Amino acid sequence: NAGVTQTPKFQVLKTGQSMTLQCAQDMNHNSMYWYRQDPGMGLRLIYYSASEGTTDKGEVPNGYNVSRLNKREFSLRLESAAPSQTSVYFCASSERAGQPQHFGDGTRLSIL
Amino acid sequence: GQQLNQSPQSMFIQEGEDVSMNCTSSSIFNTWLWYKQDPGEGPVLLIALYKAGELTSNGRLTAQFGITRKDSFLNISASIPSDVGIYFCAGTSGTYKYIFGTGTRLKVLA
Repeated sequence: NAGVTQTPKFQVLKTGQSMTLQCAQDMNHNSMYWYRQDPGMGLRLIYYSASEGTTDKGEVPNGYNVSRLNKREFSLRLESAAPSQTSVYFCASSERAGQPQHFGDGTRLSIL
Repeated sequence: GQQLNQSPQSMFIQEGEDVSMNCTSSSIFNTWLWYKQDPGEGPVLLIALYKAGELTSNGRLTAQFGITRKDSFLNISASIPSDVGIYFCAGTSGTYKYIFGTGTRLKVLA
């Protein structure tokens, strides 16, 4: 049971570089989410996709873009990485918006 | 942004002891979730609660949806070393948006 798969697991970038974080789910879920997790803070929503073909901003969207490629895949892009974006990024999915979310194992991103 | 207040922030307990933790919000929620996160992994859903007053168990874990709808509680009975980790609560008023707590870090002494 793969569930939610995120790639890569680790990445180090230099300030100004771009990168795309990949996420895929095999549970036939309609809704997908991107969060960041920082020390001492709860998970904060970056963007979400309630269903295929739609995306919306969450709590902390600045500096990020997303693409819902199809029902399975939801990618997060950093166009010009900044040190403040050093974090652990989690992708999640749910059967539909408002249902319990299931998480991947995260991408640990460091920006120097 | 809005966050939930989880208590305690961390706790050390002896193996075999029972554990209690709680989560409070300034807003009314209609769904509460409890997750566990192990180091280097993503949060894993433990229990989902949908109704005020609801009491739900998952093995040695029991969670309750507070009757005020502004709080939730998680109890772990007879703790074992593999219970170590961070426990998160999350709540929603029914939209896509879940608010997550800052976590309770549990350490079990054998």
